[in-house]
Amino acid sequence: EAGVTQFPSHSVIEKGQTVTLRCDPISGHDNLYWYRRVMGKEIKFLLHFVKESKQDESGMPNNRFLAERTGGTYSTLKVQPAELEDSGVYFCASSQGPGGVYGYTFGSGTRLTVV
Amino acid sequence: QKEVEQDPGPLSVPEGAIVSLNCTYSNSAFQYFMWYRQYSRKGPELLMYTYSSGNKEDGRFTAQVDKSSKYISLFIRDSQPSDSATYLCAIPKGGNQFYFGTGTSLTVIP
Repeated sequence: EAGVTQFPSHSVIEKGQTVTLRCDPISGHDNLYWYRRVMGKEIKFLLHFVKESKQDESGMPNNRFLAERTGGTYSTLKVQPAELEDSGVYFCASSQGPGGVYGYTFGSGTRLTVV
Repeated sequence: QKEVEQDPGPLSVPEGAIVSLNCTYSNSAFQYFMWYRQYSRKGPELLMYTYSSGNKEDGRFTAQVDKSSKYISLFIRDSQPSDSATYLCAIPKGGNQFYFGTGTSLTVIP
């Protein structure tokens, strides 16, 4: 089966610009997650979708971040306007059932650099 | 205090060595413990998970949990150059979130 696909793999934008990251989960996986790793720090949870509904967005840092999941398929994460501290690697993951115990499948990530 | 602490390394060992990777955690209520492996420019992939205390073995890999010390370990026997990666411990928070350690970078030298 195809894995979790993320694009772009890299993005360099200027402070104040908008960037949209996309994630295509494994087909049939209802659960989709976004995580972020800022340089030197641990991977941190951003939010969790079940189908098209946001189940938990407690990790979203502020209202400059907007996540959507159209029709319960792919998801986008928009950062508007981007700030320097938004630089990092954004990972998407998916799981068929609850992933809290058995883990999930991660994509390769989008490396975002805000200059 | 962080929920999960992990020595970032880096760790460099010769091929065939036994590798020990470790994490400590803060909450004694945690029951499930996971290890992910992340190759360069890739996402983390689940390597092993354990429940409660004790050992779990999978080939050359052994995951160990010591709940009395709040300490989890991953041992790699007969390490291979292909084991060179970053290893992350992860603990489910509840719901569907994980706490991740910062990861330990391992290089196995042929």
